Amino acid sequence: AQSVTQPDIHITVSEGASLELRCNYSYGATPYLFWYVQSPGQGLQLLLKYFSGDTLVQGIKGFEAEFKRSQSSFNLRKPSVHWSDAAEYFCAGGGFTGGGNKLTFGTGTQLKVEL
Amino acid sequence: EPEVTQTPSHQVTQMGQEVILRCVPISNHLYFYWYRQILGQKVEFLVSFYNNEISEKSEIFDDQFSVERPDGSNFTLKIRSTKLEDSAMYFCASSEMREPQHFGDGTRLSIL
Repeated sequence: AQSVTQPDIHITVSEGASLELRCNYSYGATPYLFWYVQSPGQGLQLLLKYFSGDTLVQGIKGFEAEFKRSQSSFNLRKPSVHWSDAAEYFCAGGGFTGGGNKLTFGTGTQLKVEL
Repeated sequence: EPEVTQTPSHQVTQMGQEVILRCVPISNHLYFYWYRQILGQKVEFLVSFYNNEISEKSEIFDDQFSVERPDGSNFTLKIRSTKLEDSAMYFCASSEMREPQHFGDGTRLSIL
């Protein structure tokens, strides 16, 4: 069965520090992978996507993620965290069929930023 | 930037009542989805809709659930007879072909 795992439920970093959020996937083939961010009371905002090609993808708000097939991972990184980055982050995977793209989400990682 | 809009933002309903959650997807998108997130749990896929029919549904999406695109702009999720366990945040999403999904802000459904 397809699955996405986010091992860290909570992470706390200091403002200005670097960040890495982990995501592992289990799919029969290489899935399409995404990172979404959810601020309290808000919907899910797309940070970045990986479909194919370059394994290092750039997203909005200074985020990037690296696809590593050998580790089945798609970790999200940011070199310097800002207080406004505090939110919940979801990794998701899916594969396009003729009828769309059903996403499978990880359980999310709650990021807290200390000033 | 165009966005997916959902109404209402919060719906409180008595158990056993019917509820309709409404969504206006992004206008040129062809694929429409509903997901739900029970408090403290992961976001779960419910159903995808394309070309005026359901293209895929999850085990959660049983006979109590239905979706409809009644006109060219709205996409609705109906729960016929709500249960306590239907309490959750419901997200609508839409996408173009082979593009990421764009999500609305969600409707918080509370069943009493």
